[in-house]
Amino acid sequence: EAQVTQNPRYLITVTGKKLTVTCSQNMNHEYMSWYRQDPGLGLRQIYYSMNVEVTDKGDVPEGYKVSRKEKRNFPLILESPSPNQTSLYFCASSLYEQYFGPGTRLTVT
Amino acid sequence: GQNIDQPTEMTATEGAIVQINCTYQTSGFNGLFWYQQHAGEAPTFLSYNVLDGLEEKGRFSSFLSRSKGYSYLLLKELQMKDSASYLCAVRDEGYSTLTFGKGTMLLVSP
Repeated sequence: EAQVTQNPRYLITVTGKKLTVTCSQNMNHEYMSWYRQDPGLGLRQIYYSMNVEVTDKGDVPEGYKVSRKEKRNFPLILESPSPNQTSLYFCASSLYEQYFGPGTRLTVT
Repeated sequence: GQNIDQPTEMTATEGAIVQINCTYQTSGFNGLFWYQQHAGEAPTFLSYNVLDGLEEKGRFSSFLSRSKGYSYLLLKELQMKDSASYLCAVRDEGYSTLTFGKGTMLLVSP
């Protein structure tokens, strides 16, 4: 089954404790992207990747890092999470339309 | 950059037709997408327009006018399960970014 997977689905952590949210797709897509979704603000792009080893900033990249060492994986790294990064995060991949992962609900206390 | 506007909320009755509008101002354009998102779930793809005109897909149709920076999503024969948020999104010329509107929450009542 064609899909985008994210882990973990839910995470509660404390300020400053580094964390990684994994994202994997099995559709051989070159393009992958991370979004955060907040009430009243909609979906905003954090980072995207056009291919392996090619990444670029989206609209809200501050406080986040990404890497793209292989085509299928695109992890999102929060080196020092802060409470304003509490949000619902979606990974997506695309050839044409974007396919979204199930989401990761992150709470930073 | 991109600026995308759509109504915040709409209500409609089961069996009716509803039109959700989306206007955009962009520095570049390479297609407009509509997604459906149920509460707490991931967005799912509904339709794509890159040329002017109407695209029909079952109960859903989407229209685009590039000269007016305008699109709409038309939902026919509304069902209760159509209660969801509908997101309009514009892709830039470089195929690198997809900018989303804030979404229109549609509530379908019996």
